[in-house]
Amino acid sequence: GENVEQHPSTLSVQEGDSAVIKCTYSDSASNYFPWYKQELGKGPQLIIDIRSNVGEKKDQRIAVTLNKTAKHFSLHITETQPEDSAVYFCAAPLDSNYQLIWGAGTKLIIKP
Amino acid sequence: EPEVTQTPSHQVTQMGQEVILRCVPISNHLYFYWYRQILGQKVEFLVSFYNNEISEKSEIFDDQFSVERPDGSNFTLKIRSTKLEDSAMYFCASSDGTQYFGPGTRLLVL
Repeated sequence: GENVEQHPSTLSVQEGDSAVIKCTYSDSASNYFPWYKQELGKGPQLIIDIRSNVGEKKDQRIAVTLNKTAKHFSLHITETQPEDSAVYFCAAPLDSNYQLIWGAGTKLIIKP
Repeated sequence: EPEVTQTPSHQVTQMGQEVILRCVPISNHLYFYWYRQILGQKVEFLVSFYNNEISEKSEIFDDQFSVERPDGSNFTLKIRSTKLEDSAMYFCASSDGTQYFGPGTRLLVL
């Protein structure tokens, strides 16, 4: 089955700097990789996702890169702002695509 | 923008009692899910539901859990006899290929 590892568990960056969170997965058949942002007391919100037929996807200050050979994908946030402070989760589907296997989460702290 | 809604936002119950958590998925979605998140831990899959039946369930989803889509709009999770370790945030999600999550129900079992 799928196993998703996420690093780091906590990331503290200066406002305006970039943040990078990395995930590895085990199932080479996985073809969809979402990133979710969870603010305190709220449900996870999808912020960006990537499918296996592309290597990079960007949406304003957020980008995701995928390396299928190495089985890892990363979230990049540029020009970080205080409202980026949250817990970020990566996920990958089991081969059935019915369920997501989640990483352990990264607590991102933006220092003013 | 359509969104997944969940009620109640908080539920406190006594151990051994039954609880029903409710979700209204996004209207044109066909896949529905329940996940839970114990405080400070990762999100865990419980069950997926498609075409009025369970598609997959995890080891967590034992006989005390059940799901139902009683009226074509609501999607419910029932926990028959709650245990202390059932205390968690429960998230409903619906999917059109991408899973969208509701705000969650915080369940506290005393």
